[in-house]
Amino acid sequence: NAGVMQNPRHLVRRRGQEARLRCSPMKGHSHVYWYRQLPEEGLKFMVYLQKENIIDESGMPKERFSAEFPKEGPSILRIQQVVRGDSAAYFCASSPKDRGEQYFGPGTRLTVT
Amino acid sequence: ELKVEQNPLFLSMQEGKNYTIYCNYSTTSDRLYWYRQDPGKSLESLFVLLSNGAVKQEGRLMASLDTKARLSTLHITAAVHDLSATYFCAVGPLGGGATNKLIFGTGTLLAVQP
Repeated sequence: NAGVMQNPRHLVRRRGQEARLRCSPMKGHSHVYWYRQLPEEGLKFMVYLQKENIIDESGMPKERFSAEFPKEGPSILRIQQVVRGDSAAYFCASSPKDRGEQYFGPGTRLTVT
Repeated sequence: ELKVEQNPLFLSMQEGKNYTIYCNYSTTSDRLYWYRQDPGKSLESLFVLLSNGAVKQEGRLMASLDTKARLSTLHITAAVHDLSATYFCAVGPLGGGATNKLIFGTGTLLAVQP
């Protein structure tokens, strides 16, 4: 059973460009979470999704950030008009049920130049 | 707002020594997790603690949970260099709400010196 997959693993964007980060949950998992880790800090919750629904987006910045988890395909975290402060590692996790243990992907390291 | 605090933030210890990392959290929670993160890598799940008094051990690591004190500890016995990493505790989900988010501590960077 493959683990949580994220791509790309590394992403470089210039200020003002868009970044799209993808997450494929483990097989059989229908709950996806996105976390951001700034350098030298712990992970901060961003958003919790189930298929086609956003359950909790309390950690998402109000502007430029959006997330989706369509019926088919991976979950997408989209950052529009990136700024240097968006440089971070973005981790996706999945769980089989709403209170199940979360399994983390390898992360996408975003660098904004 | 739930806060999770770890201490120490940085721990340098010699091989063969024992030490404890502490994780305090500010409100009730269903469960507590400990993770390990190597530089540039993802999080590796170490322990899931579900109830008051829970104690789990794996190799040189032992984790415990005191829900009344809102405190978890990660004890390292006879440290070896391979244990050098950053250790995070995380709390969640919270109460009966719909969210399943984890709240992470600040992390403890452990450096084991030969």
